[in-house]
Amino acid sequence: ETTLTQSPAFMSATPGDKVNISCKASQDIDDDVNWYQRKPGEAAIFIIQEATTLVPGISPRFSGSGYGTDFTLTINNIESDDAAYYFCLQHDDFPWTFGQGTKVEIK
Amino acid sequence: EVQLLESGGNLVQPGGSLRLSCAASGFIFRNYALTWVRQAPGKGLEWVAGINAGGDGTHYADSVKGRFIVSRDNSKNTLHLQMNRLRAEDTALYHCAKFLVPGLSPTTLKNGGPDSWGQGTLVIVSS
Repeated sequence: ETTLTQSPAFMSATPGDKVNISCKASQDIDDDVNWYQRKPGEAAIFIIQEATTLVPGISPRFSGSGYGTDFTLTINNIESDDAAYYFCLQHDDFPWTFGQGTKVEIK
Repeated sequence: EVQLLESGGNLVQPGGSLRLSCAASGFIFRNYALTWVRQAPGKGLEWVAGINAGGDGTHYADSVKGRFIVSRDNSKNTLHLQMNRLRAEDTALYHCAKFLVPGLSPTTLKNGGPDSWGQGTLVIVSS
């Protein structure tokens, strides 16, 4: 089973900042990583698929990078509406496993 | 628009049972595998169970195998999770999720992951 180590667990950003969230896999998982955004009381939203592909309808301020074992979600020019919990998921092997998540606060 | 709406969460005593449901709309339900994923307080997400599109293939995390049963009613666009012999460690917010790609088994590798989630239903196991 692939372990995903996500960091940081919490971050506080100022509007306009560039934010990076890391997700490291315990083994090579190609580009089989997705990123999601979840706000309290709401369903998670699919934002990045296959490590780098922006899901249609998602703001281009979001981007993903990485391959193999190291992956990054980047939020450019962060806005107050981006305050949320973000998590990575791998679907390279069974079962899906998840990063521990990152809570992003906007000052 | 895809919608997944979970229900059935509640406070239950250890050893008790609970049945969760996930009502789906906005997609051809019978074509997609579905899963249950949970998040315990202060912990990360954990895959719990999956079921294929036809309902004849089910898979479970070791932590729930033999206690939980996942099923679906394709005539009612509803997914269920029957939870028996509940333990304190089953306390969590339970989400249903839909596969991105139709026609796959939950055990298919590189399956694209989920594209839609429900907001979750809270299960608390406590005396």
